[in-house]
Amino acid sequence: EDQVTQSPEALRLQEGESSSLNCSYTVSGLRGLFWYRQDPGKGPEFLFTLYSAGEEKEKERLKATLTKKESFLHITAPKPEDSATYLCAVQVESGGNQFYFGTGTSLTVIP
Amino acid sequence: NAGVTQTPKFRILKIGQSMTLQCTQDMNHNYMYWYRQDPGMGLKLIYYSVGAGITDKGEVPNGYNVSRSTTEDFPLRLELAAPSQTSVYFCASSDITWRTEAFFGQGTRLTVV
Repeated sequence: EDQVTQSPEALRLQEGESSSLNCSYTVSGLRGLFWYRQDPGKGPEFLFTLYSAGEEKEKERLKATLTKKESFLHITAPKPEDSATYLCAVQVESGGNQFYFGTGTSLTVIP
Repeated sequence: NAGVTQTPKFRILKIGQSMTLQCTQDMNHNYMYWYRQDPGMGLKLIYYSVGAGITDKGEVPNGYNVSRSTTEDFPLRLELAAPSQTSVYFCASSDITWRTEAFFGQGTRLTVV
């Protein structure tokens, strides 16, 4: 059975305190791994797609990496506006291009 | 750029009532999806469609129905609302190409009382 697990469930950081969020997956036939940001009351907003082990992508204070079993979202010197829920999703080789999501990490950055 | 538009944004239903959640996209995407999001449970796939006239069940389809008569529209139907269907519903769409992201609507918050 395909599974996506995110940790921690919640994370509180001081402004400027760097950390990492984890997404581990057990799927057969990974097409891609996706990171999304979700603000309260809004729909998820796309951040990154990773396709193969060793791949890295960066955007401002965020950097996503991928191994064969997990992905990390590294947040460097976060600001309060980085507070949000970060969702990880996998796309697998079956049927349509379905996306299967983890339960998310709720990040709070304290000024 | 409208993207994916969902209506209504909020709705309260009584047990046993029916309703349709509307979803339309203007990106000419072949693939469309319906998810529900419950606190602490992440997004669960209800139904998806790979094109007009083609739909299939996702992880949690019971109690819901969908149709796809056009590329743009993908409505979700609740026939007999139950308290367990209280949730936030998101519609999304993506291109037919592998490894392209899904675009989400702003969600519909549904409460069944």
